[in-house]
Order: sequence, then structure tokens, then C-alpha cells
Amino acid sequence: AQRVTQPEKLLSVFKGAPVELKCNYSYSGSPELFWYVQYSRQRLQLLLRHISRESIKGFTADLNKGETSFHLKKPFAQEEDSAMYYCALSGSGNTGKLIFGQGTTLQVKP
Amino acid sequence: DVKVTQSSRYLVKRTGEKVFLECVQDMDHENMFWYRQDPGLGLRLIYFSYDVKMKEKGDIPEGYSVSREKKERFSLILESASTNQTSMYLCATSSGAGVKGVIQYFGAGTRLSVL
Repeated sequence: AQRVTQPEKLLSVFKGAPVELKCNYSYSGSPELFWYVQYSRQRLQLLLRHISRESIKGFTADLNKGETSFHLKKPFAQEEDSAMYYCALSGSGNTGKLIFGQGTTLQVKP
Repeated sequence: DVKVTQSSRYLVKRTGEKVFLECVQDMDHENMFWYRQDPGLGLRLIYFSYDVKMKEKGDIPEGYSVSREKKERFSLILESASTNQTSMYLCATSSGAGVKGVIQYFGAGTRLSVL
């Protein structure tokens, strides 16, 4: 079964501290992984996708097929990073559906 | 920029009422989706549509139906609203074509309260 698991409901760090939001997936084929973010009072939007291999707003995420993980990392958290983060998976050969994790709220304290 | 517009930001309805949630997109996208967003449960897919008049059930279709008569509009219908359908409802679209075809673009959401 296809599944995305984000084990932490809430992650609270101080400004300047490193951040790692965990995401594990279950999928037998070649998945495509995404991170979406929802800032307060804003709509859900794409943050990054693994095939782009980019750093967006200082965030990076590496697909680890051996550990079936796609953790989101940032070396120095900023207060404006406080938001809800969702990891999502798109399986090959589907109709464009995404499977979302439960979401992790990141709280960056001053 | 893709624009996905949900007709209502907040909605309050009574148990048993028939409720219509509307979503309109302006980018000629093939795919449209309806999700529920609940704390601790993430986004759960209710229904999606990959073409006009085509629809498929998602993970939690019970108590809901959808309509897509025109490409740009995708409606979610609660046939007889119940209190357990109180939630945030998100509409999303994707082009379905090319390398970026799977990227979904979201509306601002409709917060529905059923009393």
C-alpha cells in the first residue's frame, strides 16, 4: 500500500537552530516526492520536489530509497519558516493523485 | 500564475442540509481534486476528476458526490450534511501533462461548520 508517514505533529525549535522534518514513505515502484507548505492564512503551496534537486528558502530534501525517506532539512531556522509542512508522494502510472502525510507543524521560536 | 478559486471562505450549515462547494480554475488544467484537511489526519482525498464528466472516488467518498460539467469547475456536494463533515475543504488542480503535470495548485479553502 502507498503511504506517507510524518511521525511528528509538532516540531518546535529556536531561531538559528537546524531543522529536520521527517518523512517516510511506503511504495513499491519509483516514487516522486514533494514537500508542500502552508503558512498562516495562506493557501497550501509546493515547496520543493525531489527531482528538481533545488534548495528553496534554504530548505533541501534528499530522497533516500534505502531508508524510504525524504526528510526536509534547513541548517538555520528562521521565524518565517513557522508553518504546516506536508510530505506527499506521487506514484508512477497514476492519474496525478498525491498521497499526503499527516503534516508537521514547525514552530520557530525567537 | 494558476488561480484556483473556492466560492466561499466560511460556510455554516445545519444538519441535513444539501451543501454545494464550488471550485473554479483558470488554467485549463485537466485534473481537479477535493480534499478534507483535518488536524492530525493531513489531507485526505474525497474525489478527483481527470476530465469533464469523469470522476473517481478518493479515500473518503462516503457522504459526498461531485460534479464536473465544465472543465474549469468542480463542485463538491454534501447530500445531507452531518456534524462529522465539519472540516476545511481544499480544492486543487494539476495539468496532468509534462514534467510539471503532477504538481497540484490549491485554493484558499472553505471552512465548513455543520451545526
